[in-house]
Amino acid sequence: AQTVTQSQPEMSVQEAETVTLSCTYDTSESNYYLFWYKQPPSRQMILVIRQEAYKQQNATENRFSVNFQKAAKSFSLKISDSQLGDTAMYFCAFMKHAATSGTYKYIFGTGTRLKVLA
Amino acid sequence: SQTIHQWPATLVQPVGSPLSLECTVEGTSNPNLYWYRQAAGRGLQLLFYSVGIGQISSEVPQNLSASRPQDRQFILSSKKLLLSDSGFYLCAWSVFRGLPWGYTFGSGTRLTVV
Repeated sequence: AQTVTQSQPEMSVQEAETVTLSCTYDTSESNYYLFWYKQPPSRQMILVIRQEAYKQQNATENRFSVNFQKAAKSFSLKISDSQLGDTAMYFCAFMKHAATSGTYKYIFGTGTRLKVLA
Repeated sequence: SQTIHQWPATLVQPVGSPLSLECTVEGTSNPNLYWYRQAAGRGLQLLFYSVGIGQISSEVPQNLSASRPQDRQFILSSKKLLLSDSGFYLCAWSVFRGLPWGYTFGSGTRLTVV
């Protein structure tokens, strides 16, 4: 069974600095997708960034980038120039296609609570 | 554009009472629909998903059930709530048989069973 592990329950970073959130996963699949979601205090889940496993190039979205190490099954999120609005719970998620049902299903990690300090 | 509506936003229910949470999607057809639960201090757990009207798959055994009476409507129900049903419930949709460019989540329902 696939699992997603986020080993840092809480982290803090000074405004304008860089922070890296770690995520590891376990799967025997070769084709899958990885995501980082952000859940601010409003509880709305917001997609931050995604990575296709078949792509070697690390995904980037403005201040957010990932370090995808497929062999190590590692998918860390780097937030550069941290802003107060980045304060949120961050979830790493693994997604695979379920052929029998024709749907895609997520497996989420337990989250890392990030606090950006002024 | 596609939107997803989920209500109510908060709900306090006594143990043993019934439950009905509703989720509707606009601006798309034949979506995949999902119900997730987030217990306090824990990650999101997939409860149910549906790939079409009347088609419900359950991921974990529990006191809850789901139904999809219309293409863009997904309902989470219980006949008798338990204290352990408390949590934050999120509905989500994704493109049916399309590329998995992530889900779109609703704004969630905080359920407290007392």
